[in-house]
Amino acid sequence: QSVLTQPPSVSAAPGQKVTISCSGSSSNIGSNSVSWYQQFPGAAPKLLIHDNTKRPSGIPDRFSGSKSGTSSTLGITGLQTGDEAHYYCATWDSSLLAGVFGGGTKLTVL
Amino acid sequence: QITLKESGPTLVKPTQTLTLTCTFFGFSLSTSGVGVTWIRQPPGKALEWLTVIYWNDDERYSPALKSRLTITKDTSKNQVVLSMTDMDPVDTATYYCAHTTVTRISSGSYYYYYYYMDVWGKGTTVTVSS
Repeated sequence: QSVLTQPPSVSAAPGQKVTISCSGSSSNIGSNSVSWYQQFPGAAPKLLIHDNTKRPSGIPDRFSGSKSGTSSTLGITGLQTGDEAHYYCATWDSSLLAGVFGGGTKLTVL
Repeated sequence: QITLKESGPTLVKPTQTLTLTCTFFGFSLSTSGVGVTWIRQPPGKALEWLTVIYWNDDERYSPALKSRLTITKDTSKNQVVLSMTDMDPVDTATYYCAHTTVTRISSGSYYYYYYYMDVWGKGTTVTVSS
């Protein structure tokens, strides 16, 4: 049982937009910034979004992040088949004094 | 360019202690705001945060595993070592280390953390079996 809650799967057609939610609590998302990671099968996760909304160099602006209260959302526009992967949210938990991840969301581009 | 590489045994027996080394390049673990985090991922399952060590020697552990974990750093060797005692088959996983950036902002009576893992190693797979 992950501290942060994500939908197990989402799907959309190529070219469309999809959003992935990440729900937490006042001690984690409500108190700290959120980061998002993309993971392809057999590969290490890759940072997509940090500090709720910032994209590292090299990440396309098709990827966006937002945060409101105790929830965060990853948005992906102009979906491509190459975006099929697992996506994870993460943050710091000020009560646990530890990092926490969401359970991950599998994105399928139909 | 920042790179990290995990190394250690691929197979350990139940009850044994696992020791993994993260060797990194391109940054110093004595730089303010920098840390190294360990994360693991059982086959087909989600990422699990384990522990982090910061530039100032501060260490934090997953509450669920705190009694079994130890993280240490050797700044001169650019290495971070993870030890996990009393290994069990459920600990079978790919173990990752990651360069971590952290900023703590004081906001009245509490702190706001900007914490993220921006560069990951490729991971090392550990199987626990007799």
